[in-house]
Amino acid sequence: ETGVTQSPTHLIKTRGQQVTLRCSSQSGHNTVSWYQQALGQGPQFIFQYYREEENGRGNFPPRFSGLQFPNYSSELNVNALELDDSALYLCASSHGTSGSAWGEQFFGPGTRLTVL
Amino acid sequence: DAKTTQPNSMESNEEEPVHLPCNHSTISGTDYIHWYRQLPSQGPEYVIHGLTSNVNNRMASLAIAEDRKSSTLILHRATLRDAAVYYCILRVGNTPLVFGKGTRLSVIA
Repeated sequence: ETGVTQSPTHLIKTRGQQVTLRCSSQSGHNTVSWYQQALGQGPQFIFQYYREEENGRGNFPPRFSGLQFPNYSSELNVNALELDDSALYLCASSHGTSGSAWGEQFFGPGTRLTVL
Repeated sequence: DAKTTQPNSMESNEEEPVHLPCNHSTISGTDYIHWYRQLPSQGPEYVIHGLTSNVNNRMASLAIAEDRKSSTLILHRATLRDAAVYYCILRVGNTPLVFGKGTRLSVIA
């Protein structure tokens, strides 16, 4: 059973640029959630996708957007990068039914984004 | 805001039991108590969860107070590999995980 993978591992961008982060779900999982973790803080929920549709969103501006593909892999896109976007971005997959994700979430190792 | 309160840090000797406390005085009847931990340079991983009764699994035990306003995660024999940040999270239904700052556990050899 393959776990959750994320790419790239590290990324450096400059303010104003756009970035795309990728996540492959664990086999059999149809729900993907994205979290942002600033240094020294716990992860903060960005949004969740279930069967290719966004079905939950945290307190993040619209320049944070995402996609989920038919194979349940996912992308997180961030436009107009700001210095405060520097963080570890975590993807988590789980198995949900009818939009609910009761099961435990399996996290990837994260992508470390640095914005200069 | 996180609805749980945990100590910032704790320390334990290797091979001794560790009791990690969590207060959740505003817990509702439908809140499940979840514990996740985050090892250095890794994403969080699920540890255990429960509603009212104490729970055991291969990783840990969860002791829940009778009034459910507090709980304790018990690691029966701490190893160096258990050094991590432990998060206590209340979760109901399909809500996302709401992480606080957690408890940083150090294990001394």
